[in-house]
Amino acid sequence: QVQLVQSGAEVKKPGASVKVSCKASGYTFTGYYMHWVRQAPGQGLEWMGWINPNSGGTNYAQKFQGRVTMTRDTSISTAYMELSRLRSDDTAVYYCARADYYGSGSFAPYDYWGQGTLVTVSS
Amino acid sequence: EIVMTQSPATLSVSPGERATLSCRASQSVSSNLAWYQQKPGQAPRLLIYGASTRATGIPARFSGSGSGTEFTLTISSLQSEDFAVYYCQQYNNWLPLTFGGGTKVEIK
Repeated sequence: QVQLVQSGAEVKKPGASVKVSCKASGYTFTGYYMHWVRQAPGQGLEWMGWINPNSGGTNYAQKFQGRVTMTRDTSISTAYMELSRLRSDDTAVYYCARADYYGSGSFAPYDYWGQGTLVTVSS
Repeated sequence: EIVMTQSPATLSVSPGERATLSCRASQSVSSNLAWYQQKPGQAPRLLIYGASTRATGIPARFSGSGSGTEFTLTISSLQSEDFAVYYCQQYNNWLPLTFGGGTKVEIK
C-alpha cells in the first residue's frame, strides 16, 4: 500500500532553517511528482512547489523562491523540503503529497498525502 | 494565478440533511477540479477529481458537478463522519496549483 511517512515535529528559532523529509513506499518513487503543501494554524492549504523525483527538477511557488529547496534521494525513496530564513509566520503543518504528471504542465490531484510535520518558529 | 473562492465559509447542517458547497475559479479550469475533505489533525483526503469522479472508496453520497468556473460538491445525506472542512483545488494550471479557502461543515 502507498505510504508517505514524514519526519517529526520541529521547533526552530527565527532565521534558522528546517528540513522535512517524506519517505515513500508502496509505489515506484520516481514515477510520481512530489508536491509540498503547508497549512498555518486554523488556515487553509498553501501550495509550495514540487519536485520530479526522476530528474530532480523543481518548481517553486513565487512566494517561496529563494527560501525553499526541494531535493530527493532516490536510493531511499525520500523527498526533502528545506525552508530557510524562517519567520514566525512559517509556523505551519507541512505536508508532502503525491501527484501523477499528465504532461504539458498538467498534474493529477493529490491521491496520497503524508501525515504532516508541524514546524514551529519561535524565539 | 487562478484564485479559487469557496462559499459559504461555514455551513450548519443537521445529520441526514443535504449539504451543497460551492467553488468558483477566477478563470476557466475546465474540469480539472478536485475536492478534499480534512478532519482535525489529519491530512486532507481526496474525494472528487475531474470535477465529478469519486476517488477510490468514497461513498456515493458525495457528488461533484460543474465545469469551467463554477463547481459544486453535494453531500446527499450528512453522516456524523462528514462534518469536516472541505477544500477545492484547481489543477488545470501548473503554476501554482491553488486551493480554495475551505468550507467548514458543522453540526446544526
